[in-house]
Amino acid sequence: EPEVTQTPSHQVTQMGQEVILRCVPISNHLYFYWYRQILGQKVEFLVSFYNNEISEKSEIFDDQFSVERPDGSNFTLKIRSTKLEDSAMYFCASRSEAGQNSPLHFGNGTRLTVT
Amino acid sequence: QQQVKQSPQSLIVQKGGISIINCAYENTAFDYFPWYQQFPGKGPALLIAIRPDVSEKKEGRFTISFNKSAKQFSLHIMDSQPGDSATYFCASRGGSQGNLIFGKGTKLSVKP
Repeated sequence: EPEVTQTPSHQVTQMGQEVILRCVPISNHLYFYWYRQILGQKVEFLVSFYNNEISEKSEIFDDQFSVERPDGSNFTLKIRSTKLEDSAMYFCASRSEAGQNSPLHFGNGTRLTVT
Repeated sequence: QQQVKQSPQSLIVQKGGISIINCAYENTAFDYFPWYQQFPGKGPALLIAIRPDVSEKKEGRFTISFNKSAKQFSLHIMDSQPGDSATYFCASRGGSQGNLIFGKGTKLSVKP
């Protein structure tokens, strides 16, 4: 069964550094998402992306965050200047269409640790 | 603010028992209500989902009950097994782009 893959599985960075989290969505999917989960807390929506542009973003997704689909397969989340509170699991997700019958498929996440 | 409220935060059930997790939502425009199961170190995986035109959906040991007037839905796990031990998240979809809003999760432990 096709799956969403994320790399790296764990990223450690120093405060103020830039990080790029990478995702390969399922190949025929059209809608892409980033969510984050702070340890022990709920999964929070960050951003959705369709047709090469951001379609929706949350208040968490401020100017420090950006997303990009640099080629036909990768979908990246960049954090420009990391803060301690950015430490979390970051999940990429994708779906084939936005309709009711299209489930969201999640990757296994990247654990980001900011020291 | 759109919210999905989930309870309980944690649940301990004996093997063979029934696990019940409840969620309440606020926005009547939500049109899709999935439950996700998450094991440690893994991403959430879709378990079962329901649409608001249906009051109940059953898949194997898992059942969603949906009460549109009360804006509540619940997950029932029948004959709970130790392998069901995981964190369960309810969610609702309301954004035009299929964005999900998640509850805070319920950590289920099924004791042998």
